[in-house]
Amino acid sequence: IAGITQAPTSQILAAGRRMTLRCTQDMRHNAMYWYRQDLGLGLRLIHYSNTAGTTGKGEVPDGYSVSRANTDDFPLTLASAVPSQTSVYFCASSALSGAYNEQFFGPGTRLTVL
Amino acid sequence: GQNIDQPTEMTATEGAIVQINCTYQTSGFNGLFWYQQHAGEAPTFLSYNVLDGLEEKGRFSSFLSRSKGYSYLLLKELQMKDSASYLCAGMDSNYQLIWGAGTKLIIKP
Repeated sequence: IAGITQAPTSQILAAGRRMTLRCTQDMRHNAMYWYRQDLGLGLRLIHYSNTAGTTGKGEVPDGYSVSRANTDDFPLTLASAVPSQTSVYFCASSALSGAYNEQFFGPGTRLTVL
Repeated sequence: GQNIDQPTEMTATEGAIVQINCTYQTSGFNGLFWYQQHAGEAPTFLSYNVLDGLEEKGRFSSFLSRSKGYSYLLLKELQMKDSASYLCAGMDSNYQLIWGAGTKLIIKP
């Protein structure tokens, strides 16, 4: 593994189903983030974690949950998917959570909820 | 509220220079980032400004004016591979990034 990986690459999901998007980084970064990217809108922060064992809510957290049991993994769970959660999801990490910390992005997961 | 504004789309010619503007309004300010995103790919970091002035990095330069809430990304000697979206993001007082919708740059031969 080099950098950040996400799985799956893409997924079509029936509304009401539960889904976990996986994110793993091997850079030993403390901070990790989940964003969604929709056409015509900027990246929007869903949840973040400044260090293992802590998480926080971003701009659009409703319908999503996260956990950070260790430094490397930061899964995002949709408890009961709805069509408005159709989006491209990016996981990112940075060495620290303070100023001037470049965020490195995973390749993204394209999720379609029908 | 917090807001980042940048043009939706710009067109330029190969070999030319293009300037992509960004205005920002954030709760507190901890710097301004520019990222490049090719279609279907992840964003990649280009530059960071926290002090007023110009930062030059090869063909790319980024400028910041904190008093005007304004930044621009300058791309010189444009190449076809520069065709991408350019994302402006301001870091607020909580060290969270507020993102613009991106400027799609189309390079014509």
